[in-house]
Amino acid sequence: DVKVTQSSRYLVKRTGEKVFLECVQDMDHENMFWYRQDPGLGLRLIYFSYDVKMKEKGDIPEGYSVSREKKERFSLILESASTNQTSMYLCASASTDRFNQPQHFGDGTRLSIL
Amino acid sequence: AQKITQTQPGMFVQEKEAVTLDCTYDTSDQSYGLFWYKQPSSGEMIFLIYQGSYDEQNATEGRYSLNFQKARKSANLVISASQLGDSAMYFCAMRDGAGGYNKLIFGAGTRLAVHP
Repeated sequence: DVKVTQSSRYLVKRTGEKVFLECVQDMDHENMFWYRQDPGLGLRLIYFSYDVKMKEKGDIPEGYSVSREKKERFSLILESASTNQTSMYLCASASTDRFNQPQHFGDGTRLSIL
Repeated sequence: AQKITQTQPGMFVQEKEAVTLDCTYDTSDQSYGLFWYKQPSSGEMIFLIYQGSYDEQNATEGRYSLNFQKARKSANLVISASQLGDSAMYFCAMRDGAGGYNKLIFGAGTRLAVHP
């Protein structure tokens, strides 16, 4: 089974802090994704990566950056956390082999910025 | 622009009854895929079922089936014989055919409550 592991289930940080959210997958997937989930808005794509060191902006990249130094690891960085970044963050990975392959998700990180 | 619409913010159903969760989509692509995910209160996203735009038959996976009406651009999820454990958020998502990265666009979700 595919395993996507997010480093924290719950995280509390202060305004202005630099925050790192880590995600690791064990299925050698090329593609990895970071979403944020807010009530009534569904999941919105922040950034995705299709290869090591390669990244593309999603729909809401402002205030975030990402890093993919190894194929299995994809990190989301909040350079200077703000209260409007309080949200649920979900990491996912997917293969490009077949069109019908679903994205596989981690358990999510509930991030609170005080 | 591609879009997924789930018009039901919340639904409830009696245990053992069937329920339909609505999903409409908008795309100009001919090749696309539709996914449904379940998210229990614990937060993880669980893949349920997939329907490709060229699939001639409606997808089924156990108690889950997809009522796919291509001309109406709808892909409604049908859950038969509801169980208490089906209480969760349900998301409809679409993969577009143009992108090669398996990107998905999600709807806002429907919260389903199953009553005993």
